[in-house]
Amino acid sequence: QKEVEQNSGPLSVPEGAIASLNCTYSDRGSQSFFWYRQYSGKSPELIMFIYSNGDKEDGRFTAQLNKASQYVSLLIRDSQPSDSATYLCAVNGGGGNKLTFGTGTQLKVEL
Amino acid sequence: GAVVSQHPSWVICKSGTSVKIECRSLDFQATTMFWYRQFPKQSLMLMATSNEGSKATYEQGVEKDKFLINHASLTLSTLTVTSAHPEDSSFYICSADDNRGPSYEQYFGPGTRLTVT
Repeated sequence: QKEVEQNSGPLSVPEGAIASLNCTYSDRGSQSFFWYRQYSGKSPELIMFIYSNGDKEDGRFTAQLNKASQYVSLLIRDSQPSDSATYLCAVNGGGGNKLTFGTGTQLKVEL
Repeated sequence: GAVVSQHPSWVICKSGTSVKIECRSLDFQATTMFWYRQFPKQSLMLMATSNEGSKATYEQGVEKDKFLINHASLTLSTLTVTSAHPEDSSFYICSADDNRGPSYEQYFGPGTRLTVT
């Protein structure tokens, strides 16, 4: 069974700090990796995707992928209270377009 | 960007009735759409994959006769919850696969909150 694991949190960081969110996956054939943000009562919003080893930066967000370790992370620089949400890691296995989601990490950015 | 709409955003219905939820991709064509269900404080659960012009593929444990999916065009998929019961009350979210991109990114609609009384 394909699994995606995330620490449920909550992860609390002070405003302006770097938030680091982690995700591991079990299927070595996974090819694409996604980070979604979900505010309470809302649907998920795509933040970033990555499919090559290394780092990918977009504004305050950096996704990091290490396929050998089956690990993907999301860094949020200069965290703001508006970043407080649940962050979902999702993985796409090769040969299809279904995503497997983790249970999400709740991030709280405190003033 | 890739915009997906859903209608209605919330619905209350009586037990035993049916409810139809629409999912539309507004600025792209989606050969594949997905239907998820999310209970409070839980993660997304994929219910089915909806393919334009063919039958939907349901996940294990999802009753295909209860959750009817129709993907009649490249921009519209519908989910009908038949003979709804209170345990069907949930947040139903669709997503569309923007296959213009390299990585099968999915964009989500705003969701439909269903309450069955």
